[in-house]
Amino acid sequence: EDQVTQSPEALRLQEGESSSLNCSYTVSGLRGLFWYRQDPGKGPEFLFTLYSAGEEKEKERLKATLTKKESFLHITAPKPEDSATYLCAVQAGGSNSGYALNFGKGTSLLVTP
Amino acid sequence: DSGVTQTPKHLITATGQRVTLRCSPRSGDLSVYWYQQSLDQGLQFLIQYYNGEERAKGNILERFSAQQFPDLHSELNLSSLELGDSALYFCASSVGSSGGHQETQYFGPGTRLLVL
Repeated sequence: EDQVTQSPEALRLQEGESSSLNCSYTVSGLRGLFWYRQDPGKGPEFLFTLYSAGEEKEKERLKATLTKKESFLHITAPKPEDSATYLCAVQAGGSNSGYALNFGKGTSLLVTP
Repeated sequence: DSGVTQTPKHLITATGQRVTLRCSPRSGDLSVYWYQQSLDQGLQFLIQYYNGEERAKGNILERFSAQQFPDLHSELNLSSLELGDSALYFCASSVGSSGGHQETQYFGPGTRLLVL
């Protein structure tokens, strides 16, 4: 069975204090690994898709990387507006799975001034 | 704004009742997905439709059903509601080709359902 585990569950950072969020996964035939940001009471906002081990993508203060077993979301010099829950999801292969996303439970990030 | 719209934003109802949630996908997207988000379970996939046809099913209860109409909007019907059905329900859409490549899903703002 496909599994996605995110750690830590919660993270508190000072503004400017860089850190990394982890997403470990087991999946039969990875089609893609997705990172989303979710603000309280809102829908997930797409950040990145990673397709193969060794791939990296960047957007402003965020950088996502992928290995065969895990993905990291690196946050460089975070600002208070980066506070949100960050969700990792995998899209598995197989004709019966369609394109469903299997989500982890997320990391709740709080960045204080 | 993702371009995916959902109505209503909030819904309060009683146990045993039936409700319908509506979703309009982004312009040009053929696939629609429904997800349920509760505090203890996180985001759970319910069902996917592609161009009017059911494509994949997840952990969707028999009391729940969905359909996608010719204009590509989708409705999720929840019946015989229980307290435990209280959750955020999200719709997402993607381009949804029939090929095997990866698909990015864009999420709507959600419908918050409270069953009393």
